[in-house]
Amino acid sequence: ETGVTQTPRHLVMGMTNKKSLKCEQHLGHNAMYWYKQSAKKPLELMFVYNFKEQTENNSVPSRFSPECPNSSHLFLHLHTLQPEDSALYLCASSQDYGWGNIQYFGAGTRLSVL
Amino acid sequence: GDSVTQMEGPVTLSEEAFLTINCTYTATGYPSLFWYVQYPGEGLQLLLKATKADDKGSNKGFEATYRKETTSFHLEKGSVQVSDSAVYFCALLQNQGGKLIFGQGTELSVKP
Repeated sequence: ETGVTQTPRHLVMGMTNKKSLKCEQHLGHNAMYWYKQSAKKPLELMFVYNFKEQTENNSVPSRFSPECPNSSHLFLHLHTLQPEDSALYLCASSQDYGWGNIQYFGAGTRLSVL
Repeated sequence: GDSVTQMEGPVTLSEEAFLTINCTYTATGYPSLFWYVQYPGEGLQLLLKATKADDKGSNKGFEATYRKETTSFHLEKGSVQVSDSAVYFCALLQNQGGKLIFGQGTELSVKP
């Protein structure tokens, strides 16, 4: 148990659906992250929030929309996804954003887009 | 830009064998280095870390030494167990900008 909880663990959706992924951390951290893990590829950083403000958006398509209502919760809203978006989506948190801050990961949401 | 390169897997070993997974990095400045482990169906767990040159990180029998001269952070374990079967990720945390950059991961399979 890392203190970072992601729901749901598995999600199957059609290309026209709208769904949301949820992440909650119980560590008192100020920074939260979304990563995408695809087969045979390194983890890709998608978004970073620090003190609820988005500090990084790594050219992620607009069909992925993050939301950070407070420092403990992070959402990823999904709409009109493509089959190539099927992947494991990992959430992480750290005390702050920057050097020296260890990131702790959740178990991930396995997303399948049909 | 900064990057991490790991040896390709899968690596298959017998129980009690010696393990080395190579990791080299390219970075500006002085990054922190990490090994994360991902067991089947789970997220990433921090295995060990080192924050400066010549530091040795260790945990659960695994160890890795931050070698600045060779820009390496190889993971070693003297005697692997079946329960060590997982994917291992080497990563660096930039000291400017704060991004965590991962290698592609190395799958380890330990047979009884």
